Parts: sequence; C-alpha cells; structure tokens
Amino acid sequence: QVTLKESGPVLVKATETLTLTCTVSGFSLSHARLGVSWIRQPPGKALEWLAHIFSNDAKSYSTSLKSRLTISKDTSKSQVVLTMTTMDPVDTATYYCARIQRRFTIAGVVIGYYFDDWGQGTLVTVSS
Amino acid sequence: QSALTQPASVSGSPGQSITISCTGTSSDIGNYNLVSWYQQHPGRAPKLMIYEVDKRPSGVSNRFSGSKSGNTASLTISGLQAEDEADYYCCSYGGSSIHVLFGGGTKLTVL
Repeated sequence: QVTLKESGPVLVKATETLTLTCTVSGFSLSHARLGVSWIRQPPGKALEWLAHIFSNDAKSYSTSLKSRLTISKDTSKSQVVLTMTTMDPVDTATYYCARIQRRFTIAGVVIGYYFDDWGQGTLVTVSS
Repeated sequence: QSALTQPASVSGSPGQSITISCTGTSSDIGNYNLVSWYQQHPGRAPKLMIYEVDKRPSGVSNRFSGSKSGNTASLTISGLQAEDEADYYCCSYGGSSIHVLFGGGTKLTVL
C-alpha cells in the first residue's frame, strides 16, 4: 500500500524558512519511473505545483518560486524535503506531497506524467 | 506561466452528463498528451481520475472519461451521482521550461 505523509510546522512567521518533510512508504524513491512532487493549495483556492524530484536526483521548480525553493531526498529514509525561504502570509496553504508516475522514451521524451497518490496535506499558516 | 483555464462552476441533475473544459496553449495541452484530472472533496486530498488525456486508473468509475482537441482538454461525467459533487482540477505537463500547470478548478454541483 502506497502512502505519503507530510510533516512540518503548522505555524511559521513571516520571513522565516519553512521546511516540510514527506515520508513515503509502499514504494522506493530509487524507482526509475517514480518521483515526488510538492503541490500547495491556499484556502479556497486552486492547486499550485511547486517542485519535483526523481530517482536520479533530477529536480525542477515552479518558475515563479524557483528562487525560494529547494527540494531534496534521502532515499534511505524514504523522505523528500522541501524548503521555502522568506515565507509570507500569502504562502499560507495546505501543502501536499504526491507521487509522480513518469514514463519517457529512450530519447528522453516524456510520454507519461501524473500524480497517482497524494498525502493528506498539512496546513501551514504564516503569521505577520 | 498562467494556469490552465477552467469554468468556475458547472452543475447537473442526477443521471445527466456534464463536461468540464480545460484550456491551455500550444506549449502545454496542445503539445503533450499529458493531461490529468483530479477530484477533490472538501477537506480531502485530490484523487486521480484521468491520466494521459483519456486513461482511467483502476477503481475509477467508467462514468468518467477524458478527451482532448487542440489546446483544450475535457472531462465528461455521465450518469451524475450525488457523490460526484466536488471540485475538479485539470493538470498538464508543459515540458522542461513550464513543467506542470494546474487549472483554476471547477466546482461541480449535483442539483
């Protein structure tokens, strides 16, 4: 059974750095076709993709938040960590981690990418 | 990069069919068959309903179907049921520069 669970502070102050951990089970972070993404959702608003990481340590970030985000993984601990610097009240949101299923051709063309399992999410509130 | 465009709300009566559209550009939806759809009930995590435009994960009802034409993807729900009432989000892979885009979400009301 695949599970993902987010953990981290529920309250951070403006200008501080947020560190969130996603602990996974039921699959390995070393699997070539799998990755983990962070996605957030402000209260009453839409989902927003933040970052992803794959088994070969390939990482990508949201263009608008790239300067503030760092994603990393510890395969032995089955954990993916996201840090977001310079937090602001507008960053108040539920933060989800999700497993990515990815397929690509021998030439490296991506032909499959979707989030098949999600964590329950963790609400992070940023106080001013 | 702007989010994908979805109608804010749609509604239908039990047993009817509804379609939710998701409009992107030639750089995302139009360039990749990598559209997925997620259902989200209040207070719950999103759930994958459709992937790679028109594929259904195991366990998802065949009342849910997906399609794409040009830069617009669509999710159709047939035989509406009360439990289908939820928010629905489309998502598209956009390549190495855009990465991933979500739509603004559509609230489905079953009348």
